[in-house]
Amino acid sequence: QSVLTQPPSASGTPGQRVTISCSGSNSNLGINYVYWYQRLPGTAPRLLIYRNNQRPSGVSDRFSGSKSGTSASLAISGLRSEDEADYYCAAWDGSLSGPVFGGGTKLTVL
Amino acid sequence: QVQLVESGGGLVKPGGSLRLSCTASGFTFNDYYMGWIRQAPGKGLEWVSYISISATYTDYADSVKGRFTISRDNAKKSLYLQMDSPRGEDTAVYYCARAVYCGGDCYLPDFWGQGTLVTVSS
Repeated sequence: QSVLTQPPSASGTPGQRVTISCSGSNSNLGINYVYWYQRLPGTAPRLLIYRNNQRPSGVSDRFSGSKSGTSASLAISGLRSEDEADYYCAAWDGSLSGPVFGGGTKLTVL
Repeated sequence: QVQLVESGGGLVKPGGSLRLSCTASGFTFNDYYMGWIRQAPGKGLEWVSYISISATYTDYADSVKGRFTISRDNAKKSLYLQMDSPRGEDTAVYYCARAVYCGGDCYLPDFWGQGTLVTVSS
């Protein structure tokens, strides 16, 4: 059971906008930043979003993040087949004194 | 570019020991906290351990505290995880990760290795 809660799956068609949610608590998302990672099949996880809504250089502006209270979301616009991957949210948990992760959302591009 | 390459995974018996290594390149290793994160089959990601730049500070998940030891050699740009007395529930892919400061006591990964599989079984 992961500390952060994500839907196990999401799907969309090419060109569509898809959002993935991440729910936490006052000890993690409520007071700390959310980070998002993408893991393409057979590759290492890649940082997509840091500090709620910042994109590292090289990450497409089709990816955007937001946070409100104890929930966060990742939005992917203009969905492409290469976006098919697992997506994970993460945050620091002040009560556990360590990072916590979501269980991951498998995105399928139909 | 940043690269993290793990090695040392494999089959280990319960109660045995195993040492994982991670070799870094493409960045100044001794400018960053480093850590290990794992993913058991069918489960989510779980933080295992962190180590500070000069190795003066380490921290562990409760699930591995007292059994695993993290260390680093800045001269060799390498990170290690000594796994003693592993249990079946330690079976997982272990990822080496570079960590960035995110406020307060917070460090979260920004670059990850491909992972190395550890299987604990008799």
